[in-house]
Amino acid sequence: EIVLTQSPGTLSLSPGERATLSCRASQSVSSSYLAWYQQKPGQAPRLLIYGASSRATGIPDRFSGSGSGTDFTLTISRLEPEDFAVYYCQQYGSSPQYTFGQGTKLEIK
Amino acid sequence: QVQLQESGPGLVKPSQTLSLTCTVSGGSISSGGYYWSWIRQHPGKGLEWIGYIYYSGSTYYNPSLKSRVTISVDTSKNQFSLKLSSVTAADTAVYYCARAGEDYSNFDYWGQGTLVTVSS
Repeated sequence: EIVLTQSPGTLSLSPGERATLSCRASQSVSSSYLAWYQQKPGQAPRLLIYGASSRATGIPDRFSGSGSGTDFTLTISRLEPEDFAVYYCQQYGSSPQYTFGQGTKLEIK
Repeated sequence: QVQLQESGPGLVKPSQTLSLTCTVSGGSISSGGYYWSWIRQHPGKGLEWIGYIYYSGSTYYNPSLKSRVTISVDTSKNQFSLKLSSVTAADTAVYYCARAGEDYSNFDYWGQGTLVTVSS
């Protein structure tokens, strides 16, 4: 089983700042199969990034993804108030077919 | 616009079977090309994939839950369902249905989620 470890657990930043979230896999993950989600309280997760670096439909370009192999990064270039949420990475392909990281909480400083 | 909506009891007794249904609108399950999944989230915790079904009825389950999970599809109603047997308090969670997109690698549409509590 591929384990995804996200860091930091909590990130405290101010609006306008840049956020860098990390997702590290216990084994190599195909870049095509790494996704990022945003989840706000009481809501379902929302797909942000797929294929490690492609933005999903309607996602602002301040969100970007990068990485390969075992190290992946979600960057939010300039935080807006609505960006404060929990972010999850997710991989596909290794049994169990889908696994998620434990999440990074992005909170207002 | 594809929409998914979970339905089912919010309270299940220990040892009984949890049953949920996901109704899909704005798209047809029988058109193929997607995996229809169940995912759960324990209170205040992360996400756990339970399993998926294809329109043909083929399934794949998380090995950690496989012995207790059954996912089925009713294409005439554009619904798919989850049954989880022998539940315990550890199965208390928000249950989401979701669609795995065109390359099956990510979940592009989600239901709003439904909280299921296991308690006597």
